[in-house]
Amino acid sequence: DTAVSQTPKYLVTQMGNDKSIKCEQNLGHDTMYWYKQDSKKFLKIMFSYNNKELIINETVPNRFSPKSPDKAHLNLHINSLELGDSAVYFCASSHKGYYEQYFGPGTRLTVT
Amino acid sequence: AQSVSQHNHHVILSEAASLELGCNYSYGGTVNLFWYVQYPGQHLQLLLKYFSGDPLVKGIKGFEAEFIKSKFSFNLRKPSVQWSDTAEYFCAVIPMGYSSASKIIFGSGTRLSIRP
Repeated sequence: DTAVSQTPKYLVTQMGNDKSIKCEQNLGHDTMYWYKQDSKKFLKIMFSYNNKELIINETVPNRFSPKSPDKAHLNLHINSLELGDSAVYFCASSHKGYYEQYFGPGTRLTVT
Repeated sequence: AQSVSQHNHHVILSEAASLELGCNYSYGGTVNLFWYVQYPGQHLQLLLKYFSGDPLVKGIKGFEAEFIKSKFSFNLRKPSVQWSDTAEYFCAVIPMGYSSASKIIFGSGTRLSIRP
C-alpha cells in the first residue's frame, strides 16, 4: 500500500548522460512536487504540478524537465548530468492548497 | 523573502532526557506549520502539523509543538527521548495567501543523536 513511490531508489551514472526518475502516488492527491536534498540535508523545492499543470518552477537548470502524464504521476528527466546534480531527489504529493505533503522514499543520484 | 530557521544544527542527548528543538520563521501573515522527521536512510514523515486552533499540537510518538505567534516560533518538544528518536528533524512553513501554490519552505534541519 505504498502511498508515494519512486523508481529507481539508487541511480549511478556518468557525467553527460540523460536519466529519468519516476514518481507515482495513490493517495488521490492533485498536486505533486519534486525536491532536491543536498549532502547537507537541505531540502529545496524544484517543481510542483497541480492536475498536470506546472504551478511552481524554482530556479532550476533547463536540463531538468518534469513531465506529468496524469495527476497521479510526476516524472523528472535530467539531461546532460553534471557532478553537482548528485543528491537525493524526493517526490511528494498533497491536496491542492496549504496542506501537508507526503514524501516518497527518495532517489539517490550519484553522478561520476 | 520567507525563511525558516532552525538554530540547533546537531543536538546530542542521553535517553530519557527532555527535548526541545527551536524553529522560527519569517512571514508576517498566516502560516501553516509542520514538523517532519527523517530517520536514517528513510524518507520524510509528518510528525505533526498546525493549521489553526489550540497552539499546542500533539503529534505521533509523543512529540508536541507549540505555536507562539508573537515570537514566530514553532518549537518541537518531547519529555523523554528514546534511542529510536535519532533522526533529522525539519521544521516547515507554508505561508498562506502567498499564491495558489502550496510552496512549503523547509528549515535546514536539526540532527538529533541519542546516546543509549
